[in-house]
Amino acid sequence: NAGVTQTPKFQVLKTGQSMTLQCAQDMNHNSMYWYRQDPGMGLRLIYYSASEGTTDKGEVPNGYNVSRLNKREFSLRLESAAPSQTSVYFCASSRTGTGAYEQYFGPGTRLTVT
Amino acid sequence: SQQGEEDPQALSIQEGENATMNCSYKTSINNLQWYRQNSGRGLVHLILIRSNEREKHSGRLRVTLDTSKKSSSLLITASRAADTASYFCATEIQGAQKLVFGQGTRLTINP
Repeated sequence: NAGVTQTPKFQVLKTGQSMTLQCAQDMNHNSMYWYRQDPGMGLRLIYYSASEGTTDKGEVPNGYNVSRLNKREFSLRLESAAPSQTSVYFCASSRTGTGAYEQYFGPGTRLTVT
Repeated sequence: SQQGEEDPQALSIQEGENATMNCSYKTSINNLQWYRQNSGRGLVHLILIRSNEREKHSGRLRVTLDTSKKSSSLLITASRAADTASYFCATEIQGAQKLVFGQGTRLTINP
């Protein structure tokens, strides 16, 4: 039981390049989330998927797109990376879209955009 | 503006002492959760307290919630070096199906 896995662990991009961050969970959770964490800051929600087939914007969605590929997988795409997107990205999952259940987090992807 | 704000931003205590962190929020909530983050790692859930609860315990952790003051506190008793981490509160605002995280308290336990 791996929990929440994320790939890659580290990535360096040049401004304007694109990439997709992958996330998968094996806990049969309905809801999945993408957050970013900047140095010394808390987590800010980028996008979330309350259930398979649905996605919604969070607090900071600009510059990102997401795909809920199936119940297990939720990917985050940067179409044209900018230095302001340098951050640590965390994927999380929970049983439902409400906060009534804890969220389980992946180990994070450290992205640097030069 | 942040929904949840932790206080203090940083706390350094001696091993064996108790550590108290506070979280304030602005709007009505369904529940509040506390998470721990070790350096360079993902967050780990510690405890959830619902809006109709006033206090919960889990091992050495004690969480209180005062909805009239829109605040919560996390107490870690008999601290250990392994408790060194950042601690975040997260609130589920009424009507929203997501959590909003505060900026965290960085706790350092000195041996």
